[in-house]
Amino acid sequence: AQSVAQPEDQVNVAEGNPLTVKCTYSVSGNPYLFWYVQYPNRGLQFLLKYITGDNLVKGSYGFEAEFNKSQTSFHLKKPSALVSDSALYFCAVRDKSNTGTASKLTFGTGTRLQVTL
Amino acid sequence: SQTIHQWPATLVQPVGSPLSLECTVEGTSNPNLYWYRQAAGRGLQLLFYSVGIGQISSEVPQNLSASRPQDRQFILSSKKLLLSDSGFYLCASGGGLLTYEQYFGPGTRLTVT
Repeated sequence: AQSVAQPEDQVNVAEGNPLTVKCTYSVSGNPYLFWYVQYPNRGLQFLLKYITGDNLVKGSYGFEAEFNKSQTSFHLKKPSALVSDSALYFCAVRDKSNTGTASKLTFGTGTRLQVTL
Repeated sequence: SQTIHQWPATLVQPVGSPLSLECTVEGTSNPNLYWYRQAAGRGLQLLFYSVGIGQISSEVPQNLSASRPQDRQFILSSKKLLLSDSGFYLCASGGGLLTYEQYFGPGTRLTVT
């Protein structure tokens, strides 16, 4: 079974400061990892993914995430937060050994990011 | 890149009425398709997925059903809505062997009164 934990319900950060949104995962094999962002009353937008290779993954809007296998984590980061980054962020995992043709993602419960001036 | 369309955007229906939500996908062929429900603006619950025309897998026993009459069309239905069916319904495409991530439509907000 695969699972994702986002331990923080909400993260508050001042504009211009670095931000981190935490995510830990559990899979039986090796993971594929994803981050999504959701603005109010909108669908989820794909930000970035880790499939293989470099542990530091860069994505859209200046976001990046670091895959840490020993800590089973995939934290989302941005060096300088913007007010417009305020949204709901979801981490998701898929087990690489799940090779079925409709491999399903397991999503975390989401972390609300609030960036203030 | 893929574009996922959903309609209607919002829907208010009385308890006991039928439901039909539609999802269509552009920019890809033979996609894996998914229906999710998001309650209270938080976690996503996978309801159904499909790997091809007429192939539907249900994740959660419930008052809903899904159909895939065409390659890039995915429909979520109910014969009689319950209050608990209220929520934000999202259609997604992708997640197969070559496209690791899923792409989401704009969603349908369903309120059952």
